[in-house]
Amino acid sequence: EAGVTQSPTHLIKTSGHQATLRCSPISGHTSVYWYQQALGLGLQFLLWYDEGEERNRGNFPPRFSGRQFPNYSSELNVNALELEDSALYLCASSLVGTAGYSNQPQHFGDGTRLSIL
Amino acid sequence: DAKTTQPPSMDCAEGRAANLPCNHSTISGNEYVYWYRQIHSQGPQYIIHGLKNNETNEMASLIITEDRKSSTLILPHATLRDTAVYYCIVRATDSWGKLQFGAGTQVVVTP
Repeated sequence: EAGVTQSPTHLIKTSGHQATLRCSPISGHTSVYWYQQALGLGLQFLLWYDEGEERNRGNFPPRFSGRQFPNYSSELNVNALELEDSALYLCASSLVGTAGYSNQPQHFGDGTRLSIL
Repeated sequence: DAKTTQPPSMDCAEGRAANLPCNHSTISGNEYVYWYRQIHSQGPQYIIHGLKNNETNEMASLIITEDRKSSTLILPHATLRDTAVYYCIVRATDSWGKLQFGAGTQVVVTP
């Protein structure tokens, strides 16, 4: 069974520009989650999508946005890039029960490393 | 979600059992205990989770105390490939998707 796949593996952008990161969940999983892992800050929850809808977002500015497609894949968009956005961006997927209520574990991909120059 | 406390680092000899402790004294009734690990430059890998009963899978065993205020992850026969940061996370079923990662325990398995 294929795991969560993310692309690209590495991405280099210039500050002020925009970045798009992509994620394909495990087959059968309808929920996709995004996390940011910046150096020295640990993993921070960014966004949760389920059935095409944004269900929850972490404490990040609106320039971090995304969407989920009908095939449950997802993309994360970061606008007006800042140097502090340099980080490993991780996508996870899971089965989910009734919206918001689930004990299903999240399974992670290996991330996209975004570097801002 | 309840906070967890883990030792910052542990060493373990290859072939021996690794016992990783986690304290979660403020855990509430609807919160599960999850364990993940992250090998350098990879995404976190799910290991195991449980509510109040002990759990075992092909990777590890999870022992939760009767009062649920602490737990132990047991890797029965540690190998060099088990060197990683291990995260203990307590999460409610109504957490709206959020996993709250702490600093974890850096486990180094030595030959």
